[in-house]
Amino acid sequence: DSGVTQTPKHLITATGQRVTLRCSPRSGDLSVYWYQQSLDQGLQFLIQYYNGEERAKGNILERFSAQQFPDLHSELNLSSLELGDSALYFCASSPTGTTNEKLFFGSGTQLSVL
Amino acid sequence: GQQVMQIPQYQHVQEGEDFTTYCNSSTTLSNIQWYKQRPGGHPVFLIQLVKSGEVKKQKRLTFQFGEAKKNSSLHITATQTTDVGTYFCTGSARQLTFGSGTQLTVLP
Repeated sequence: DSGVTQTPKHLITATGQRVTLRCSPRSGDLSVYWYQQSLDQGLQFLIQYYNGEERAKGNILERFSAQQFPDLHSELNLSSLELGDSALYFCASSPTGTTNEKLFFGSGTQLSVL
Repeated sequence: GQQVMQIPQYQHVQEGEDFTTYCNSSTTLSNIQWYKQRPGGHPVFLIQLVKSGEVKKQKRLTFQFGEAKKNSSLHITATQTTDVGTYFCTGSARQLTFGSGTQLTVLP
């Protein structure tokens, strides 16, 4: 158990809808990362937060947004969903978000857009 | 931006054979990390390399960081079915760019 909690584990929705994925980092970790993994694909970095502030942005679509709350949990909002958004979404956390820290990944949220 | 390429993308080996995956970066890295993702699981940190030419071992796994700090390799000696999974490398960058991964299948 990595200590990173992601909910829900599975999400099935329809095109055009909006969903929210939730992540609670490991106790004490201030930085949260979001990644997208499509079938048989690598890990695509979406966005990173540190202590409530956006630190780095990757290949995140304009239809997607995220935030980190004062209690350090984070939410990834996906709107106007398309079939191609179906993927496994991982959240990871690290203590301070510096590049020499190892990441602890949650179990992921499997999103299916029908 | 930084590109991290991994080869091969897929590798099938017979149990007991050796396996190597390579990670190549377009830019010099301050460090490199390796992760393993079992089928149906999430990535789990294996190791971090920092120094030029560094070699680290974890039982049957040997990790190397190139002299120029632009490439790295992971070698598994005498693979076992428990080694099945996808191995990712990630180089130092604000975006923590992950390589595309090498999916290892071990045939019993």
